[in-house]
Amino acid sequence: DQQVKQNSPSLSVQEGRISILNCDYTNSMFDYFLWYKKYPAEGPTFLISISSIKDKNEDGRFTVFLNKSAKHLSLHIVPSQPGDSAVYFCAAKFRSSGNTPLVFGKGTRLSVIA
Amino acid sequence: GAVVSQHPSWVICKSGTSVKIECRSLDFQATTMFWYRQFPKQSLMLMATSNEGSKATYEQGVEKDKFLINHASLTLSTLTVTSAHPEDSSFYICSARRGKTQETQYFGPGTRLLVL
Repeated sequence: DQQVKQNSPSLSVQEGRISILNCDYTNSMFDYFLWYKKYPAEGPTFLISISSIKDKNEDGRFTVFLNKSAKHLSLHIVPSQPGDSAVYFCAAKFRSSGNTPLVFGKGTRLSVIA
Repeated sequence: GAVVSQHPSWVICKSGTSVKIECRSLDFQATTMFWYRQFPKQSLMLMATSNEGSKATYEQGVEKDKFLINHASLTLSTLTVTSAHPEDSSFYICSARRGKTQETQYFGPGTRLLVL
């Protein structure tokens, strides 16, 4: 049972345009969400996170939006750059439960075309 | 930033041997470390949660006698794949959580294991 779903396995975007990566979750108890970026044969790198008490968090070119009623979050990258080409993982956790692990989606491979 | 290292980065071994993978938090103390496994084109699958000084908590379906985890200090956790078989070939990644209030996990670069 996939609790965190990234339904698009891949996405291609032109350099300079906006990349929008989507993530859906099924467990309404999740209250903290993170996005990670992963290059081949490397560990994931933390990008940005959002708590369920917010609906938007911005950090430079990266913005995460959270829609709790729809159990949906998205990562916006603007402008997209070729170096952004990687696999992006959405992750969720029960923050209020202390030492709980992250639950990951399967990832979306982003290709930014120059 | 928080840096997590893994050693070795890749290893090839014969079937039946044991392989130890180290995960170190270089610039912070990690009260909790997590071990993940990733198959090609799949998500990261949590194997176990390791707390310093206590036994690891394994996820359902993960054999604790096969994947031995030791978290002897606040900066080091080890995963030992015992009596490795070809089906254990995978990409193993550790992550570390800084402190008890930090939510973000910082990942190591991963270890590619190939069992012949």
